[in-house]
Amino acid sequence: DVKVTQSSRYLVKRTGEKVFLECVQDMDHENMFWYRQDPGLGLRLIYFSYDVKMKEKGDIPEGYSVSREKKERFSLILESASTNQTSMYLCASSLIFGGYTFGSGTRLTVV
Amino acid sequence: GIQVEQSPPDLILQEGANSTLRCNFSDSVNNLQWFHQNPWGQLINLFYIPSGTKQNGRLSATTVATERYSLLYISSSQTTDSGVYFCAVGRGANSKLTFGKGITLSVRP
Repeated sequence: DVKVTQSSRYLVKRTGEKVFLECVQDMDHENMFWYRQDPGLGLRLIYFSYDVKMKEKGDIPEGYSVSREKKERFSLILESASTNQTSMYLCASSLIFGGYTFGSGTRLTVV
Repeated sequence: GIQVEQSPPDLILQEGANSTLRCNFSDSVNNLQWFHQNPWGQLINLFYIPSGTKQNGRLSATTVATERYSLLYISSSQTTDSGVYFCAVGRGANSKLTFGKGITLSVRP
């Protein structure tokens, strides 16, 4: 089975902190994605990557950056955390044309 | 961007009942997936189905791409089927998906 592992299940950070969310997949998938999920707003794409060192903005990239130095790892960076970034963050991976596999999510609270 | 509408928004079933969940989308797509989010928040991929029909146990899905809709069928529902069902669509390369708002299903014993 494909596994997508997110480094933390729950995270509490202070306003202004730099926050790193890590995601690792073990099936050699080309594509990796970061979504956030909020009540009433559904899942929204933040960034995605279709190859090492390649990244593209999704629908809501403001306040975030990403890094993909190795094929299996895709990191989401909150440059200066704010309370409106409190959310559930979901990482996914897929083949070029194939089903997504999601990680179990990181629930981030910014205080 | 592509608009994705799912219906009904909420569904309550008695255990053993059958149901049909619908997903309409506003433009041509080459990627369509159905997901189940369990009460603990884990999203599970049910089907990758840009066209045609697939079956997996009690679940089946049909996508009619030319008419821009997809249906997810759940037969003999069980309490473990409860959760939120998402349809997501994409077009072009790189598999970027747009998600619908989801259908909340409650199956009562």
